[in-house]
Amino acid sequence: AQKVTQAQTEISVVEKEDVTLDCVYETRDTTYYLFWYKQPPSGELVFLIRRNSFDEQNEISGRYSWNFQKSTSSFNFTITASQVVDSAVYFCALRAPSGSARQLTFGSGTQLTVLP
Amino acid sequence: GAVVSQHPSRVICKSGTSVKIECRSLDFQATTMFWYRQFPKQSLMLMATSNEGSKATYEQGVEKDKFLINHASLTLSTLTVTSAHPEDSSFYICSARLTGEPYEQYFGPGTRLTVT
Repeated sequence: AQKVTQAQTEISVVEKEDVTLDCVYETRDTTYYLFWYKQPPSGELVFLIRRNSFDEQNEISGRYSWNFQKSTSSFNFTITASQVVDSAVYFCALRAPSGSARQLTFGSGTQLTVLP
Repeated sequence: GAVVSQHPSRVICKSGTSVKIECRSLDFQATTMFWYRQFPKQSLMLMATSNEGSKATYEQGVEKDKFLINHASLTLSTLTVTSAHPEDSSFYICSARLTGEPYEQYFGPGTRLTVT
C-alpha cells in the first residue's frame, strides 16, 4: 500500500526565513514518482516538481530546493528566503505502479503561513 | 503545459437538486480522468477513476448512484451530484492523465459546490 506522511500540519515563519516541509513516503515498489504541489487560497493545484525514484540528485529551482533521500524514504522541500506569496498549503504525493490505476496518493498537506 | 478546465468554478444549489460539473482536457486527449473531493483544511480524496467509454471505478465509500460520472469522449468527463445535500458541499477537483510513462496528471482549477 502507498502512504505519504506530512507530519507538519501548520508552519508559520516570518518573511525571509528559510523553511523546510517534510514528506515521508511508503511503497513497496522500486520504481515510483514523487511530487510536490502548491495549493494557494484560490484552490487550484500548482505543480512544483516530479522526481523519479531512480534520480536521487537534489534539485534547486530558484528559491525552491528538494532533498530526496531513498534511505529514509523522505522527499523534503525547502523554501529559501520565504515570501508572503509562498503562503499556501503544500502537498507531497506519490505515484507507484502497484497503486490502483497509477493514481496519486496525497499527503495530508502542510499549511505554510509567511508573515510580513 | 497541458490545460484542464472545469465548469462551473462555483455553484450554489438547493438541497435535493442535481448539479453537473464538467472537466475538459483542452489540448490533449485523456483516456483516464480522476475526480477528487476536498473538504476544508483536508487533503484531496480520490472519489473515482473515469475511463473513456467505460464505467467509472469508485473508491470505497463513494456512492456511485449519488455521484454519477460520465466519460463520453477523450476530452470530457462529467460529475453529476444527484439529490445534493448540504453535506455534499465541498471543493471538487478533476484531473486528466496522459497515456504512457510518466503518466503525467494535470489538474483542473476546481469547483466549489455549496448546497443550501
